[in-house]
Amino acid sequence: KNEVEQSPQNLTAQEGEFITINCSYSVGISALHWLQQHPGGGIVSLFMLSSGKKKHGRLIATINIQEKHSSLHITASHPRDSAVYICAVRSGATNKLIFGTGTLLAVQP
Amino acid sequence: DTAVSQTPKYLVTQMGNDKSIKCEQNLGHDTMYWYKQDSKKFLKIMFSYNNKELIINETVPNRFSPKSPDKAHLNLHINSLELGDSAVYFCASSQVGVFYNSPLHFGNGTRLTVT
Repeated sequence: KNEVEQSPQNLTAQEGEFITINCSYSVGISALHWLQQHPGGGIVSLFMLSSGKKKHGRLIATINIQEKHSSLHITASHPRDSAVYICAVRSGATNKLIFGTGTLLAVQP
Repeated sequence: DTAVSQTPKYLVTQMGNDKSIKCEQNLGHDTMYWYKQDSKKFLKIMFSYNNKELIINETVPNRFSPKSPDKAHLNLHINSLELGDSAVYFCASSQVGVFYNSPLHFGNGTRLTVT
């Protein structure tokens, strides 16, 4: 079992829908990252958070440290949001980054 | 002014060859990483360098060796390439401290194909 689990693995949505991607982890962490990888391959860091909630444009990331869970929300989704979204945590014990397997999102017009 | 740049973008080579991938960051970060992304898009850390010291080596074959001439550069050398080495390799950097973590910054990846 991976130390970082994401769900769903695949998600297809219609343009305009509200999207939620979940990340659960089993280790103590110092930070959690949400990354976006576009079909072209480039990876962009969306958020880094260790508590609470962050918002950037139509993207919102939340984390519940006690429950070891984070969610990435996309409001008013658009086809350009189609990408792989990756959750990664930094272990508080080892300082190692541990990646989830990613969620492939396809937003259809 | 690219933050993390890696070259080449594509690398096609034959089994048994030795190749290098270069990575440079201009963010002043003190930690750089190499990741291998497999066919299932799973990112696996290979190396992490902090202030020119290897701090994490995820049991990759010793055919892979990171070389860091200074904290802005972390190059990846691969000897005796094998078919299974075909993948996309990503370089990344961040600032990591006891009380501070910065977001990860990734290069655009190098697609290595071994024939």
